[in-house]
Amino acid sequence: SQELEQSPQSLIVQEGKNLTINCTSSKTLYGLYWYKQKYGEGLIFLMMLQKGGEEKSHEKITAKLDEKKQQSSLHITASQPSHAGIYLCGAAPFGGAGNMLTFGGGTRLMVKP
Amino acid sequence: KAGVTQTPRYLIKTRGQQVTLSCSPISGHRSVSWYQQTPGQGLQFLFEYFSETQRNKGNFPGRFSGRQFSNSRSEMNVSTLELGDSALYLCASSLASGPLPYEQYFGPGTRLTVT
Repeated sequence: SQELEQSPQSLIVQEGKNLTINCTSSKTLYGLYWYKQKYGEGLIFLMMLQKGGEEKSHEKITAKLDEKKQQSSLHITASQPSHAGIYLCGAAPFGGAGNMLTFGGGTRLMVKP
Repeated sequence: KAGVTQTPRYLIKTRGQQVTLSCSPISGHRSVSWYQQTPGQGLQFLFEYFSETQRNKGNFPGRFSGRQFSNSRSEMNVSTLELGDSALYLCASSLASGPLPYEQYFGPGTRLTVT
């Protein structure tokens, strides 16, 4: 089965600083999802990447997919307190087996004002 | 467009009881997936329904079951509740299912506490 490892597990940054979260897969990445979650709440969809080398941006958040490294990175520019939360990466099964996602353990981000 | 809705939001049950959770997907979406989130195991896939048929099933005991109705709304049922079933149950809505990956949108979750 596919496993996703996120690093770091937690991160504390000063407001205004940039940061990067990584998600590494044990198998070929077919569809890679990034979500944000506030404690005890639902997941907020950030973006989905499909092709190697694909890069997407949403406001100050950019995600890239490196197919060769089986890795995705999420970069936040000029962090704000509103960026605080848990960031989760999820991967879709290879070969079109539906929407069954495997998730990483999450990265807890705190932004100090 | 309204998002994914889940009811109830909070639930307290006693061991041995059964519970039914409901999920209404985004209008037009035909796939609903269910996940269990716990501090120890993280986010784990339970099952997926597409066009009223179970398409995928995760590694959970038979006490966990689900179904989907013709309007794409879905329910999941847990029978003979155990303390370990205490978790946040999340459902996700997608336009379709396979062969390409589809964007999945999650609901706010149902917090189940088993005492």
